[in-house]
Parts: sequence; C-alpha cells; structure tokens
Amino acid sequence: GDSVTQTEGQVALSEEDFLTIHCNYSASGYPALFWYVQYPGEGPQFLFRASRDKEKGSSRGFEATYDKGTTSFHLRKASVQESDSAVYYCALGHNNNAPRFGAGTKLSVKP
Amino acid sequence: EAAVTQSPRNKVAVTGGKVTLSCNQTNNHNNMYWYRQDTGHGLRLIHYSYGAGSTEKGDIPDGYKASRPSQENFSLILELATPSQTSVYFCASGGGTGGARQNTLYFGAGTRLSVL
Repeated sequence: GDSVTQTEGQVALSEEDFLTIHCNYSASGYPALFWYVQYPGEGPQFLFRASRDKEKGSSRGFEATYDKGTTSFHLRKASVQESDSAVYYCALGHNNNAPRFGAGTKLSVKP
Repeated sequence: EAAVTQSPRNKVAVTGGKVTLSCNQTNNHNNMYWYRQDTGHGLRLIHYSYGAGSTEKGDIPDGYKASRPSQENFSLILELATPSQTSVYFCASGGGTGGARQNTLYFGAGTRLSVL
C-alpha cells in the first residue's frame, strides 16, 4: 500500500540554522504530497502541498520540491526560529484513498 | 472560519467499557477521518467516510467502529475498550479543489483517551 517514511524522529537545531527533514514516499503514479505542522496541544495544520513532479510547495519560509525520480519531498528552511519548534508530518494523498501520514519529526530549536 | 470540534477533550475509561468519541465539522466537507497518534507511529488511519451513511476501514480498524449519521458528524466507537487503545485521537475533515487526492485536511484539537 501507499506509505510515507520520515527518516528523522527528532531534530535539534539552534536559531538561524538550516533545516532539512527527509520524506520519501512509496506509491504508484503521481500522488499528492503534503507537509503538516503540529504545535503542542493542537491538531496538525496544513503547511503546503505539491502534486506534480518538480513542483515546489512553500509557506512561512518552509519549502519542498516534489521529486518523482527519488520519490522524495524533503522539507527545508534556510533559517529556523524558536517558534518553528513543532512536530512536522509528511503525508500522501493518492487517487480517492484516505491520506497517509509519516511517523512525524519533532523539531526543537534553541534560542 | 472552518472548524472541526472533538468531544470530549479528555476521557478516562475502564477496560471492557464502551467509549464514544464525537466529531463535528462546519466545513461542509464530504470526507471525514479518524486517526490515532502514538509516539513512533505518527498518525495512523482508523476509519474514514466519504459522506453521510458511509464508513470505510483504514489501516488499523480492529477494535473500532465508526458512524457517520450526517454530513457534519462522525463518531468513533470502542465497544470494548482495552489499555492498548490508550492514545490521542484526531478527527479531520477533508476538502478543497483537485479532488480527494489533493484534499487538505482540517483537524480537530484531539481527544486524549486513557483506558485503565
């Protein structure tokens, strides 16, 4: 079945560091790919999506590029802030199936 | 503003008891979902629905039932709760342009369930 793999369970950075969270997917064809962010005590919220090869999604300084060749959708941000501390989820939507999520990556940013 | 409301926010249940988690959405979305969140597993799909009267099994449906009596309401039912069902449960509605494949999910704030 369709699946999403996030490599990092936890990432610890300092403010102004560069962030990369890796996301790889397994699905046939062209699934839609998403990033969601979850702050403590809240439900996940949509960050952005991409649905075509080489399409870039972005929001709030975060970005990711859909790469069908490497089946990846890695999340990047050039300069993280303490307020970016949260759990980040990569997700996949395919045909009319319900979205599947990765295991999540907890980002902690020190001031 | 679009909203998904879950109740209760916290629940303590006894093993073998019946638990009902409720979800209401004002987004007018056809699709609704139940996920559970556990450390190391992320969000795992339990049941989902394409509209009133329909329910579908997700990846981990054992021990759970779902009910979608109306467009707005979607319930998750644990007929015989077990300690392994202790978790945080999230309901979501899905909508937007581009079909179900590109649906953006809107989540509730979650229900923290402890089964003792």
